[in-house]
Amino acid sequence: SQELEQSPQSLIVQEGKNLTINCTSSKTLYGLYWYKQKYGEGLIFLMMLQKGGEEKSHEKITAKLDEKKQQSSLHITASQPSHAGIYLCGAVSLSGNTPLVFGKGTRLSVIA
Amino acid sequence: DAGVIQSPRHEVTEMGQEVTLRCKPISGHNSLFWYRQTMMRGLELLIYFNNNVPIDDSGMPEDRFSAKMPNASFSTLKIQPSEPRDSAVYFCASSPTGKNTEAFFGQGTRLTVV
Repeated sequence: SQELEQSPQSLIVQEGKNLTINCTSSKTLYGLYWYKQKYGEGLIFLMMLQKGGEEKSHEKITAKLDEKKQQSSLHITASQPSHAGIYLCGAVSLSGNTPLVFGKGTRLSVIA
Repeated sequence: DAGVIQSPRHEVTEMGQEVTLRCKPISGHNSLFWYRQTMMRGLELLIYFNNNVPIDDSGMPEDRFSAKMPNASFSTLKIQPSEPRDSAVYFCASSPTGKNTEAFFGQGTRLTVV
Protein backbone atom coordinates (compact mmCIF):
# COMPACT_ATOMS: atom_id res chain seq x y z
CA SER A 1 0.00 0.00 0.00
CA GLN A 2 1.07 3.54 -0.58
CA GLU A 3 2.68 5.45 2.25
CA LEU A 4 3.42 9.14 2.50
CA GLU A 5 6.16 10.54 4.68
CA GLN A 6 6.18 14.21 5.54
CA SER A 7 9.09 16.25 6.78
CA PRO A 8 9.64 17.95 9.01
CA GLN A 9 7.10 16.73 11.55
CA SER A 10 6.97 20.17 13.08
CA LEU A 11 8.35 23.57 12.25
CA ILE A 12 8.62 26.86 14.07
CA VAL A 13 9.44 29.89 11.97
CA GLN A 14 9.59 33.59 12.56
CA GLU A 15 6.99 35.70 10.84
CA GLY A 16 8.20 36.82 7.44
CA LYS A 17 10.48 33.85 6.87
CA ASN A 18 10.13 31.34 4.05
CA LEU A 19 9.68 27.63 4.67
CA THR A 20 9.34 24.33 2.83
CA ILE A 21 7.47 21.16 3.73
CA ASN A 22 8.17 17.92 1.90
CA CYS A 23 6.02 14.90 1.13
CA THR A 24 7.63 11.70 -0.15
CA SER A 25 5.68 8.76 -1.47
CA SER A 26 6.62 5.09 -1.43
CA LYS A 27 5.01 4.74 -4.86
CA THR A 28 4.39 6.86 -7.94
CA LEU A 29 1.96 9.66 -7.27
CA TYR A 30 -1.02 9.95 -9.59
CA GLY A 31 -2.56 12.82 -7.74
CA LEU A 32 -1.14 14.71 -4.81
CA TYR A 33 -3.31 16.88 -2.59
CA TRP A 34 -2.30 19.44 -0.02
CA TYR A 35 -4.65 20.25 2.82
CA LYS A 36 -4.37 22.56 5.80
CA GLN A 37 -5.91 21.87 9.18
CA LYS A 38 -6.33 24.25 12.06
CA TYR A 39 -6.50 22.78 15.54
CA GLY A 40 -9.92 21.34 16.28
CA GLU A 41 -11.18 21.89 12.76
CA GLY A 42 -11.56 19.99 9.55
CA LEU A 43 -9.21 19.90 6.60
CA ILE A 44 -9.22 22.71 4.08
CA PHE A 45 -8.19 21.91 0.51
CA LEU A 46 -5.24 23.95 -0.76
CA MET A 47 -4.33 22.50 -4.14
CA MET A 48 -3.92 19.35 -6.20
CA LEU A 49 -1.01 18.35 -8.42
CA GLN A 50 -1.17 15.69 -11.05
CA LYS A 51 1.53 16.05 -13.64
CA GLY A 52 5.24 15.60 -13.10
CA GLY A 53 6.88 19.00 -12.82
CA GLU A 54 3.56 20.72 -12.19
CA GLU A 55 3.62 23.75 -9.93
CA LYS A 56 0.67 25.63 -8.50
CA SER A 57 0.38 28.72 -6.37
CA HIS A 58 -2.29 30.15 -4.16
CA GLU A 59 -1.52 33.46 -2.53
CA LYS A 60 1.85 32.91 -0.85
CA ILE A 61 1.75 29.12 -0.97
CA THR A 62 3.38 27.21 -3.84
CA ALA A 63 3.35 23.46 -4.32
CA LYS A 64 5.31 21.39 -6.78
CA LEU A 65 5.31 17.76 -7.86
CA ASP A 66 8.70 16.51 -8.95
CA GLU A 67 9.31 14.99 -12.39
CA LYS A 68 9.47 11.44 -11.09
CA LYS A 69 6.18 12.00 -9.29
CA GLN A 70 7.26 10.59 -5.99
CA GLN A 71 7.79 13.77 -4.04
CA SER A 72 6.02 17.04 -3.54
CA SER A 73 7.06 20.19 -1.76
CA LEU A 74 4.98 22.99 -0.31
CA HIS A 75 6.67 26.37 -0.02
CA ILE A 76 5.37 29.33 1.93
CA THR A 77 6.84 32.73 1.22
CA ALA A 78 6.94 35.45 3.88
CA SER A 79 5.06 33.38 6.46
CA GLN A 80 2.32 34.96 8.54
CA PRO A 81 0.55 33.86 11.73
CA SER A 82 -2.43 32.89 9.57
CA HIS A 83 -0.30 30.19 7.96
CA ALA A 84 -0.01 28.33 11.25
CA GLY A 85 -1.63 24.91 11.35
CA ILE A 86 -1.09 21.35 10.24
CA TYR A 87 -0.29 20.71 6.61
CA LEU A 88 -1.17 17.29 5.24
CA CYS A 89 -0.40 15.75 1.92
CA GLY A 90 -2.73 13.13 0.48
CA ALA A 91 -2.43 10.82 -2.50
CA VAL A 92 -4.73 8.83 -4.72
CA SER A 93 -4.14 5.61 -6.56
CA LEU A 94 -3.76 5.11 -10.28
CA SER A 95 -7.50 5.13 -10.82
CA GLY A 96 -7.73 8.55 -9.29
CA ASN A 97 -11.06 8.03 -7.67
CA THR A 98 -10.24 6.11 -4.55
CA PRO A 99 -9.93 7.77 -1.18
CA LEU A 100 -6.92 9.76 -0.17
CA VAL A 101 -4.12 8.24 1.84
CA PHE A 102 -2.55 10.92 4.01
CA GLY A 103 0.82 11.64 5.51
CA LYS A 104 0.97 12.30 9.24
CA GLY A 105 1.19 16.03 8.73
CA THR A 106 3.59 18.86 9.46
CA ARG A 107 2.71 21.16 12.34
CA LEU A 108 3.66 24.75 11.53
CA SER A 109 3.93 27.50 14.10
CA VAL A 110 4.65 31.08 13.09
CA ILE A 111 5.94 33.38 15.80
CA ALA A 112 6.00 37.16 15.73
CA ASP B 1 -24.18 24.72 0.63
CA ALA B 2 -23.32 24.31 4.31
CA GLY B 3 -20.60 21.79 3.59
CA VAL B 4 -20.22 18.41 5.22
CA ILE B 5 -22.04 18.42 8.53
CA GLN B 6 -21.03 16.15 11.38
CA SER B 7 -22.66 15.65 14.73
CA PRO B 8 -21.99 15.75 17.53
CA ARG B 9 -18.85 17.93 17.56
CA HIS B 10 -17.78 16.46 20.88
CA GLU B 11 -18.72 13.23 22.57
CA VAL B 12 -17.61 11.94 25.94
CA THR B 13 -18.75 8.47 26.87
CA GLU B 14 -17.94 5.71 29.27
CA MET B 15 -16.18 2.58 28.19
CA GLY B 16 -18.63 -0.05 27.04
CA GLN B 17 -21.26 2.39 25.83
CA GLU B 18 -22.48 2.61 22.27
CA VAL B 19 -21.45 5.67 20.30
CA THR B 20 -23.04 6.88 17.06
CA LEU B 21 -21.44 9.53 14.91
CA ARG B 22 -23.44 11.19 12.16
CA CYS B 23 -22.59 12.78 8.84
CA LYS B 24 -24.50 14.68 6.20
CA PRO B 25 -22.46 14.94 2.98
CA ILE B 26 -22.64 17.76 0.50
CA SER B 27 -25.67 17.40 -1.73
CA GLY B 28 -24.79 15.79 -5.04
CA HIS B 29 -21.61 14.16 -3.83
CA ASN B 30 -21.53 10.45 -4.60
CA SER B 31 -18.62 9.38 -2.42
CA LEU B 32 -18.43 9.51 1.36
CA PHE B 33 -15.44 8.70 3.55
CA TRP B 34 -14.93 8.16 7.25
CA TYR B 35 -11.48 8.92 8.66
CA ARG B 36 -10.01 8.72 12.14
CA GLN B 37 -7.24 11.03 13.31
CA THR B 38 -4.89 10.41 16.22
CA MET B 39 -1.53 11.85 17.14
CA MET B 40 0.17 8.50 16.79
CA ARG B 41 -1.30 7.27 13.53
CA GLY B 42 -2.36 10.45 11.79
CA LEU B 43 -5.38 10.41 9.48
CA GLU B 44 -6.55 6.90 8.68
CA LEU B 45 -9.28 5.89 6.27
CA LEU B 46 -11.86 3.67 7.95
CA ILE B 47 -14.42 3.08 5.22
CA TYR B 48 -15.79 4.69 2.12
CA PHE B 49 -19.05 4.55 0.24
CA ASN B 50 -19.82 5.16 -3.39
CA ASN B 51 -23.46 5.79 -4.27
CA ASN B 52 -24.42 4.64 -0.77
CA VAL B 53 -22.67 1.29 -1.19
CA PRO B 54 -19.69 0.40 1.02
CA ILE B 55 -16.72 -0.11 -1.26
CA ASP B 56 -13.82 -0.70 1.09
CA ASP B 57 -14.08 -1.24 4.82
CA SER B 58 -10.64 -2.73 5.30
CA GLY B 59 -9.68 0.20 7.48
CA MET B 60 -12.35 -0.50 10.06
CA PRO B 61 -10.33 -1.57 13.08
CA GLU B 62 -12.61 -4.20 14.56
CA ASP B 63 -16.08 -5.69 14.52
CA ARG B 64 -16.99 -3.13 17.14
CA PHE B 65 -17.05 -0.55 14.35
CA SER B 66 -19.83 -0.41 11.80
CA ALA B 67 -20.92 2.17 9.25
CA LYS B 68 -24.08 2.66 7.27
CA MET B 69 -25.32 4.93 4.57
CA PRO B 70 -29.08 4.42 4.26
CA ASN B 71 -29.44 7.22 1.73
CA ALA B 72 -27.42 9.78 -0.19
CA SER B 73 -27.72 12.42 2.49
CA PHE B 74 -26.87 10.55 5.67
CA SER B 75 -24.27 8.22 7.10
CA THR B 76 -23.50 6.88 10.56
CA LEU B 77 -20.43 5.39 12.18
CA LYS B 78 -21.20 3.28 15.22
CA ILE B 79 -18.86 1.93 17.86
CA GLN B 80 -20.27 -0.75 20.14
CA PRO B 81 -18.91 -1.27 22.72
CA SER B 82 -16.58 1.71 22.90
CA GLU B 83 -13.11 1.49 24.43
CA PRO B 84 -10.64 4.17 25.60
CA ARG B 85 -8.37 3.46 22.64
CA ASP B 86 -11.17 4.59 20.32
CA SER B 87 -10.64 8.14 21.53
CA ALA B 88 -9.81 10.22 18.47
CA VAL B 89 -11.22 12.79 16.11
CA TYR B 90 -13.47 11.20 13.50
CA PHE B 91 -13.88 13.00 10.19
CA CYS B 92 -16.42 12.52 7.48
CA ALA B 93 -15.64 13.73 3.96
CA SER B 94 -17.50 13.69 0.68
CA SER B 95 -16.56 14.20 -2.94
CA PRO B 96 -18.25 14.21 -6.31
CA THR B 97 -17.70 11.30 -8.65
CA GLY B 98 -14.76 11.56 -11.00
CA LYS B 99 -11.03 11.34 -11.11
CA ASN B 100 -8.92 13.50 -8.90
CA THR B 101 -11.72 15.41 -7.32
CA GLU B 102 -11.04 16.98 -3.98
CA ALA B 103 -12.64 15.67 -0.83
CA PHE B 104 -14.52 18.12 1.38
CA PHE B 105 -14.16 17.48 5.09
CA GLY B 106 -16.54 18.06 7.95
CA GLN B 107 -15.43 19.68 11.19
CA GLY B 108 -14.98 16.33 12.87
CA THR B 109 -16.29 14.67 16.02
CA ARG B 110 -13.89 14.57 18.94
CA LEU B 111 -14.62 11.34 20.79
CA THR B 112 -13.35 10.69 24.29
CA VAL B 113 -13.98 7.32 25.88
CA VAL B 114 -13.28 7.24 29.60
